[in-house]
Amino acid sequence: GAGVSQSPRYKVAKRGQDVALRCDPISGHVSLFWYQQALGQGPEFLTYFQNEAQLDKSGLPSDRFFAERPEGSVSTLKIQRTQQEDSAVYLCASSLAQGATGNTIYFGEGSWLTVV
Amino acid sequence: AQSVTQLGSHVSVSEGALVLLRCNYSSSVPPYLFWYVQYPNQGLQLLLKYTTGATLVKGINGFEAEFKKSETSFHLTKPSAHMSDAAEYFCAVRASSNTGKLIFGQGTTLQVKP
Repeated sequence: GAGVSQSPRYKVAKRGQDVALRCDPISGHVSLFWYQQALGQGPEFLTYFQNEAQLDKSGLPSDRFFAERPEGSVSTLKIQRTQQEDSAVYLCASSLAQGATGNTIYFGEGSWLTVV
Repeated sequence: AQSVTQLGSHVSVSEGALVLLRCNYSSSVPPYLFWYVQYPNQGLQLLLKYTTGATLVKGINGFEAEFKKSETSFHLTKPSAHMSDAAEYFCAVRASSNTGKLIFGQGTTLQVKP
């Protein structure tokens, strides 16, 4: 597609429920990022993939958060046993090149998660 | 460690007035700096970026920013505000020389009054 596509756009989960958020990056993009954006805050880094390899997961807040990109394209962010503090917008982003080349990072519109 | 500070969580200007959004950074690697804009219920859109070379960077929609190493600043300006500029603006710095992940500031909400 022309841009980074995320689904679902909106998700309401009951506390304790598992959720899965999908990201389709721009075709051919090597780098993929997940960010979490709480209401009124800037995005915070969660994890980074270079093709299918998860090279940095230092931002994942707990072991309830898990991300994968098995074939180096589509990625899924999974949150197990959701808690109210998980309510946020989850942004996926991709970039053509690997590493810190300064290439533009393109963001999707986000998946809005509300845990009730 | 890298960090970004955006001075002023809310900025209000009149239509046609100068827009100035402030950003200061700290970085232990050569800084790559970015400004993104976020409209309500939308993702982030890149306005402009500085990597190397000319320190005055021009972006989309008439915005520009100047990298000042001595002041560790990357302030965003636009000579004349339009109503359509009302949005949330985020400054970001490259956090890693390996992955290119970004560290964002808290954001500045720009209000444009008619």
